[in-house]
Amino acid sequence: NAGVTQTPKFQVLKTGQSMTLQCAQDMNHNSMYWYRQDPGMGLRLIYYSASEGTTDKGEVPNGYNVSRLNKREFSLRLESAAPSQTSVYFCASSEPKGMGSYNSPLHFGNGTRLTVT
Amino acid sequence: QKEVEQDPGPLSVPEGAIVSLNCTYSNSAFQYFMWYRQYSRKGPELLMYTYSSGNKEDGRFTAQVDKSSKYISLFIRDSQPSDSATYLCAMSAILTGGGNKLTFGTGTQLKVEL
Repeated sequence: NAGVTQTPKFQVLKTGQSMTLQCAQDMNHNSMYWYRQDPGMGLRLIYYSASEGTTDKGEVPNGYNVSRLNKREFSLRLESAAPSQTSVYFCASSEPKGMGSYNSPLHFGNGTRLTVT
Repeated sequence: QKEVEQDPGPLSVPEGAIVSLNCTYSNSAFQYFMWYRQYSRKGPELLMYTYSSGNKEDGRFTAQVDKSSKYISLFIRDSQPSDSATYLCAMSAILTGGGNKLTFGTGTQLKVEL
C-alpha cells in the first residue's frame, strides 16, 4: 500500500533550468495538492486539483505550473528555476467528506528536496 | 501577523513527561482543527481532528480547542522517544465564495529523551 509516491526524492538544479516533479496516489482520491515547506514559513499551498480535469492556484503559485494527468497523477513543473524555489515539495491527496476537500485529512508523500543554485 | 502562530521550539522533554503543544490563531472563521505529526525526512501525517470547542482524546493524545480564546493545544501523556517529531497544527475555514481554506502552523519540533 504505497499511498502517495513522489519522484525524485532529491534534485539539484541550476538557475534557469526546468524540471517536473511527479506525484502519484493509489488511494482513488479525487483531490490532490502541491505544497512547499520552508523553515519558519510552514506548509504553503502552491496549486491544487479538486478533481480530475480541474486545477486552481493556491497561496504561492508564481513560477509553477501543474498538470492533472489523470485521477492518480498530479505533476508540478518549474519552467525556469530560481534560488527562491529551493524548498521541500510535498504532494498530498484527500477524499472529500461532506464539507469539502480542505476538511478531509490530507495524505502526504515523503517530499522532494530541491536545491536551486 | 500570521493567521496561525506556533512556537517552533525545539522542545526537549524526558521520557514519561506530559507535553503541551499550542497554537493561537486570529481568523474567527476557522472551524476545523487538526494536528499533524511529521517525522524527519517524511511527510506529515494526520494525528488528531476536531471540530468543536472542548477536548478530544485518543490514547495518549488529547486535543483541546478553545474558540473563545482562539487557542488550540495538543497534550501528549507518558511521552516516548518515538514521539520525537515536528507537530504541525492546521485549521480550516469555509470561504464565503465556496470552498475551503486550510492553514498550517510552522510546526513545533519535539524531542523526547531517554
